[in-house]
Amino acid sequence: DIVMTQSPDSLPVSLGERATINCKSSQSILYNSNDMNYVAWFQQKPGQPPKLLFYGASFRDSGVPDRFRGSGSGTDFTLTISSLQAEDVAVYYCLQYYGTPWTFGQGTKVEIK
Amino acid sequence: QVQLVESGGGVVQPGRSLRLSCGASGFIFSNFGMHWVRQAPGKGLEWVAVISYDGSSKFYSDSVKGRFTVSRDNSENTLYLQMNNVRAEDTAVYHCTTLMGLGFSYGFPLNAFDVWGQGTMVAVSS
Repeated sequence: DIVMTQSPDSLPVSLGERATINCKSSQSILYNSNDMNYVAWFQQKPGQPPKLLFYGASFRDSGVPDRFRGSGSGTDFTLTISSLQAEDVAVYYCLQYYGTPWTFGQGTKVEIK
Repeated sequence: QVQLVESGGGVVQPGRSLRLSCGASGFIFSNFGMHWVRQAPGKGLEWVAVISYDGSSKFYSDSVKGRFTVSRDNSENTLYLQMNNVRAEDTAVYHCTTLMGLGFSYGFPLNAFDVWGQGTMVAVSS
């Protein structure tokens, strides 16, 4: 199984500052035939189901603010929030869908410092 | 509107069975692979199972393989999860989701279509 490891587990950030979350896969999740990285990022707020932010590592889902950015390739991926807003407080998860079983990272809790 | 609604959760004794249902509306259910994702209280997300758009392919996490069965009825726009021999560690909120709608869907779509239900709680306890 592909293991997804996120860092850090908890991330206190001041309002307006940058937040950076990392996700590392135990093997490459770059599909060579289409040059696509099979990783997605989700945001989950308390009491709500997760919300898709990015797929294919960097393809922003509809309605996601452009202060969010997904990047990376191969085994190392990053979710960046350029200027943290109060409504961004949530737990963020990466997901690999390169191979079954699909696997999530353990989550990163972003909070206001 | 686009919606997924789970039902069938509750309290169940260890070793017993439970069947979860997920009704879909507002989109062409039969075009999309469907997943179950669970979340234990205070814990992270765990992918459980997927079924392809036509039901021909099914995959499971190691933790439920051999005990849970995913199925679908496209004529009724409904997804199911049959949970047998449940264990305490199966206690969680179970969400049905298109999970981006990529892979296992008809026509290999390039753009994501991500829909989640609110979830149904399963508590395994004697």
